[in-house]
Amino acid sequence: GQQVMQIPQYQHVQEGEDFTTYCNSSTTLSNIQWYKQRPGGHPVFLIQLVKSGEVKKQKRLTFQFGEAKKNSSLHITATQTTDVGTYFCAGPVTGNQFYFGTGTSLTVIP
Amino acid sequence: EAGVAQSPRYKIIEKRQSVAFWCNPISGHATLYWYQQILGQGPKLLIQFQNNGVVDDSQLPKDRFSAERLKGVDSTLKIQPAKLEDSAVYLCASSLDLPRREQYFGPGTRLTVT
Repeated sequence: GQQVMQIPQYQHVQEGEDFTTYCNSSTTLSNIQWYKQRPGGHPVFLIQLVKSGEVKKQKRLTFQFGEAKKNSSLHITATQTTDVGTYFCAGPVTGNQFYFGTGTSLTVIP
Repeated sequence: EAGVAQSPRYKIIEKRQSVAFWCNPISGHATLYWYQQILGQGPKLLIQFQNNGVVDDSQLPKDRFSAERLKGVDSTLKIQPAKLEDSAVYLCASSLDLPRREQYFGPGTRLTVT
């Protein structure tokens, strides 16, 4: 079954609104990565989190890694049209097997 | 620095035919990954190489898919024979070392099986 789930699957927001996607793994992750994929494009690495409870920020993006290292979130403050795309979390679920999450597709309405 | 190169970018074949994809990773990247991404889904890891050795191929349908990385640089992924459900984008990625490092993706090959 699916090892890494993300919610919501789709999110439509007005430009300027905030956006959050949540990632949940069935097992503990040694680390978690986040990628962004623009429509028609390929995944692009955003960030990696390693420590339990870690929080990292990149301008308007805030990434968190859960205390139990089984969940993570990505929060975007004041979305812009350039934020459009699908956001994936990913990590080594078992050993070296690398799983991508189901993704959250973000649409920003100008 | 040059990115991950893949070819062809698009391929249309009939079911039961064979097809091969090529990937050239970023220079110096020891780890190479092949993913299958079906429309609307996240990338699914098919096989992972560390230099020219296979680290993980547990999700590779070995009855029809094969991959090699003979000299630890370029890699090819082959499907023989293709099925309709193989229609997808095949992504190649590379990283400096095992999964704890960020992965750089190529543009992908869009395969349509008719």
